[in-house]
Amino acid sequence: GAGVSQSPSNKVTEKGKDVELRCDPISGHTALYWYRQRLGQGLEFLIYFQGNSAPDKSGLPSDRFSAERTGESVSTLTIQRTQQEDSAVYLCASSVRTRAGTQYFGPGTRLTVL
Amino acid sequence: QQPVQSPQAVILREGEDAVINCSSSKALYSVHWYRQKHGEAPVFLMILLKGGEQMRHEKISASFNEKKQQSSLYLTASQLSYSGTYFCGTERSGAGSYQLTFGKGTKLSVIP
Repeated sequence: GAGVSQSPSNKVTEKGKDVELRCDPISGHTALYWYRQRLGQGLEFLIYFQGNSAPDKSGLPSDRFSAERTGESVSTLTIQRTQQEDSAVYLCASSVRTRAGTQYFGPGTRLTVL
Repeated sequence: QQPVQSPQAVILREGEDAVINCSSSKALYSVHWYRQKHGEAPVFLMILLKGGEQMRHEKISASFNEKKQQSSLYLTASQLSYSGTYFCGTERSGAGSYQLTFGKGTKLSVIP
């Protein structure tokens, strides 16, 4: 596609439920990143994928968070047993390569946990 | 470790200049600059690499002082469209895995 797409654009869920967020990177981009942005805050790195290598999970805030990516295609970020503190905009970005690669961001998924 | 941006906010009249700074306590490989308008995703402005040249995007330029682990973003003759929050993202030198760490942002408001 022309840019990075994310779905859903908005998600409202109840505390304790699981949610799955999806990211479609730009075709040909080998690197994919997930960030979290709480209201009025900066970007918080969560996880990144590079090709078929094992992902760097060092930024995941807890074991309730997991992410998958098959090859260089779609990625899903799953949050289990959601908490109110998980409410944020979840942004996905992709780049042609990692080091010094321009990151192109998707529009984000706004998650609200009631 | 999160880079420190300054100032936190600045208000400019159209045509005025501004400088936004980004400092890190760690040795850096690169510094990225992004602009985010309210309710939108961040948009890339430029990347500065260790040992690289000063970069420019239209009337916005940036420098990277490797010795001081500091980057500065220069906005010249500001336009209304420059309004937004500017984030710097830093990539540490020698880090085992790639990770971009962002500052808290500088909110720039350009008024007529």
